This record gives sequence, C-alpha cells and structure tokens, in this order.
Amino acid sequence: GAVVSQHPSRVICKSGTSVKIECRSLDFQATTMFWYRQFPKQSLMLMATSNEGSKATYEQGVEKDKFLINHASLTLSTLTVTSAHPEDSSFYICSASSGGRYEQYFGPGTRLTVT
Amino acid sequence: AQSVAQPEDQVNVAEGNPLTVKCTYSVSGNPYLFWYVQYPNRGLQFLLKYITGDNLVKGSYGFEAEFNKSQTSFHLKKPSALVSDSALYFCAVRRGRGTYKYIFGTGTRLKVLA
Repeated sequence: GAVVSQHPSRVICKSGTSVKIECRSLDFQATTMFWYRQFPKQSLMLMATSNEGSKATYEQGVEKDKFLINHASLTLSTLTVTSAHPEDSSFYICSASSGGRYEQYFGPGTRLTVT
Repeated sequence: AQSVAQPEDQVNVAEGNPLTVKCTYSVSGNPYLFWYVQYPNRGLQFLLKYITGDNLVKGSYGFEAEFNKSQTSFHLKKPSALVSDSALYFCAVRRGRGTYKYIFGTGTRLKVLA
C-alpha cells in the first residue's frame, strides 16, 4: 500500500517552454501533497505544500508564478514549471500523506533537463 | 527551531557486519522522527518512524532505530548488512506541531562492501 507515482520520469524541454509533472497517490487519498527539489548529492528542498482544493503554500524563496501547483483531487497534484530555464534542471520529487499519518510516501521522482 | 543532523557523509561497512547510520535532532516538544532510503535516481522509501512508545522501532527490510531522548539521537541500525542496502539514507524530523512538513538531514551514503 501507499504507492505514489510520478509522470514523466524524465523530461527534456527547451528553454522558455513549460513542463507539467503529475503526482498521483494510487491506493490512498492524499489530503496533503508536497513537492521537493533535489540537487545532485544534496538533500531535499521543500518547495511547496498543497492540500486538496486549496491553494498551495510555497516555501520562502520559491516563485509561485514559476512553479504552479494544482491539487485538484485527493489523488492528483501537478507541478508546472513555467518558462523553464536551464537552472530549473533538477530532480523533482513529490510526496503524499493522508490524514492522521505522519509519514510521507514519495514518488519515484522526475528528472527535468532544460536545454 | 527544529533541526536534524547526520554527521557522516558516508559510512562503509562489510557485508554481514552490523551497520549504524547516525542522526541527531533538536526539537521543541515531542520529536516525530523518520528514516527514509533513496536508491539512485529514485524517490525516497519510508523505513520507519518514531512518534511515541517503545524506544526501539522496527521497520522495513530488517532496519531498526533507537530513540534516545537524553542524547537526542535516532540512529538507524541493522544487525547484518547486505550489499543491496547500499543507498542514501535520510533522517527527518517533523517541522513543528500541527504540520506534516519535514526537515531532512543532509543524507548519509551507505556503502556495503562484499
């Protein structure tokens, strides 16, 4: 149980285009979803937290207009990187938690490369 | 402020030997502590958590962790390491009361040598 999927696993896009990453909880309802960014050989940096049906809460320093997050249902959250630039290239990981459970369950990650 | 530290960037251990990956924390209030493992180019897998109760917590894949309040530590252990345990391990603490957000440690790379 507690499986989280992400799609796509890898994406290459050109500078200036937008990319959408999907995060789905497959066998549970995720009241809260998180989006992280991980740089090579570094820890995870929380970008934003989203609750189903409400606006995402962004961490300090994360541009909400650049990283659009939508949590339209209890099983789906999307992260859209708008007008991507090479410095946005990174490993993006989502996680999900359900009410009453403190552990988060992580997706397999999406490797974004902006050329 | 809540924080978590993993003092070792890398731990090497021979296959079959016991392993320990260290984690210390600083929190106000009761700590909610977690261990995760990450394999290359993958997301994190939940291993175990301490919320309350017994100080020795058993988790997935034969791992366990000991909560030590006096030493503010939550070290991850396994009695007999496998080569397949080689991965990146993260300790995390809940950021504060009433939140599901984590603060992650910097990670410890475990290398189990055959």
